Amino acid sequence: EDKVVQSPLSLVVHEGDTVTLNCSYEVTNFRSLLWYKQEKKAPTFLFMLTSSGIEKKSGRLSSILDKKELFSILNITATQTGDSAVYLCAVEGTGTASKLTFGTGTRLQVTL
Amino acid sequence: DAGITQSPRHKVTETGTPVTLRCHQTENHRYMYWYRQDPGHGLRLIHYSYGVKDTDKGEVSDGYSVSRSKTEDFLLTLESATSSQTSVYFCAIRGQGNEQFFGPGTRLTVL
Repeated sequence: EDKVVQSPLSLVVHEGDTVTLNCSYEVTNFRSLLWYKQEKKAPTFLFMLTSSGIEKKSGRLSSILDKKELFSILNITATQTGDSAVYLCAVEGTGTASKLTFGTGTRLQVTL
Repeated sequence: DAGITQSPRHKVTETGTPVTLRCHQTENHRYMYWYRQDPGHGLRLIHYSYGVKDTDKGEVSDGYSVSRSKTEDFLLTLESATSSQTSVYFCAIRGQGNEQFFGPGTRLTVL
């Protein structure tokens, strides 16, 4: 059974801090790892990572995958209150259906 | 915005009644998915579809059925709703890079 574990479960930081969110996984046949941001609505897509060691970057957010150690990190620099959300990690297996297995998320709160 | 709408957005129903949730997409995506999201469990796949009349089960399919008679519509039916099916239901489509994009969700309460 595929499994995704995220840590920490939640954290509170001050605006301007840098945070690192962790995602480890066990999956029978790995194709990709995805990060989503969820505020009080639907998850929105952030990144898809398929190759080890290649950083994906979008503004203050970046992510990297380690396929040998089976984990990924999501970094957010210079955090803002608008970054407050639940961050979800998911892994895709190699079947044709692109089924995703999700972790339970990390709840990030950014305070002034 | 991947052109996904869900209806209804909120529904309260009673145990034992049938419920159908609708997902509609406007961009001709082949793959569509239904998930439920519950505290402590994250998002879990209920059913998915890989084309008209082609569907398959996900991780938590018991008590649910689906139908896809047109590319743009994917219906999720609870034949006889139970309180354990109180949840937020998300529909998703698969994009060109295999990433999934989610609809706005339906909050279902079964009393």
